[in-house]
Amino acid sequence: GAGVSQSPSNKVTEKGKDVELRCDPISGHTALYWYRQSLGQGLEFLIYFQGNSAPDKSGLPSDRFSAERTGGSVSTLTIQRTQQEDSAVYLCASSSVSNTEAFFGQGTRLTVV
Amino acid sequence: AQSVTQLDSQVPVFEEAPVELRCNYSSSVSVYLFWYVQYPNQGLQLLLKYLSGSTLVKGINGFEAEFNKSQTSFHLRKPSVHISDTAEYFCAVKLTGRRALTFGSGTRLQVQP
Repeated sequence: GAGVSQSPSNKVTEKGKDVELRCDPISGHTALYWYRQSLGQGLEFLIYFQGNSAPDKSGLPSDRFSAERTGGSVSTLTIQRTQQEDSAVYLCASSSVSNTEAFFGQGTRLTVV
Repeated sequence: AQSVTQLDSQVPVFEEAPVELRCNYSSSVSVYLFWYVQYPNQGLQLLLKYLSGSTLVKGINGFEAEFNKSQTSFHLRKPSVHISDTAEYFCAVKLTGRRALTFGSGTRLQVQP
């Protein structure tokens, strides 16, 4: 596609439910990143994929958070048993082999009520 | 560990006035430096980047930034701002050899008529 696509754009869920957030990177980009942007804060790194493997998961805040990537393309970020503090905008980015610039999607705004 | 400090959370400025958004980083190794802009309800867009070479970097929309290694700074400047420049601006660093970006907490630029 022309850019990084994320779905849904908005998600409201009840506390304790599981949610899945999807990211479709720019075609041919091998690197994919997930970030979280909480209200009034900067962007917090969550996880990095190179191809289908995740060499850096250091930013995942708890074991309720997981992510996978299939076919070197689409990625899904799953949050289990959501809590109110999970409310944030989740941003996905992708980059090419040269890896000097990351292109961001418009994000998924998650609200846990 | 690397960190990025954006000293001003908000910068109000009148239209056609000059502006400087400050960014300092801490790292003992070489870094790549970036400025991103985020318009309301949108993802991040790259303004400019410093990888190597000339310390004065020109970006889109008339913005420029200067890398100062001795002061570990990468301040963003524009000589004359427009209403349309109202947005959140993020400074980010990437260690050479590491994939993920580390972001500052952002500076909200508010351009007033």
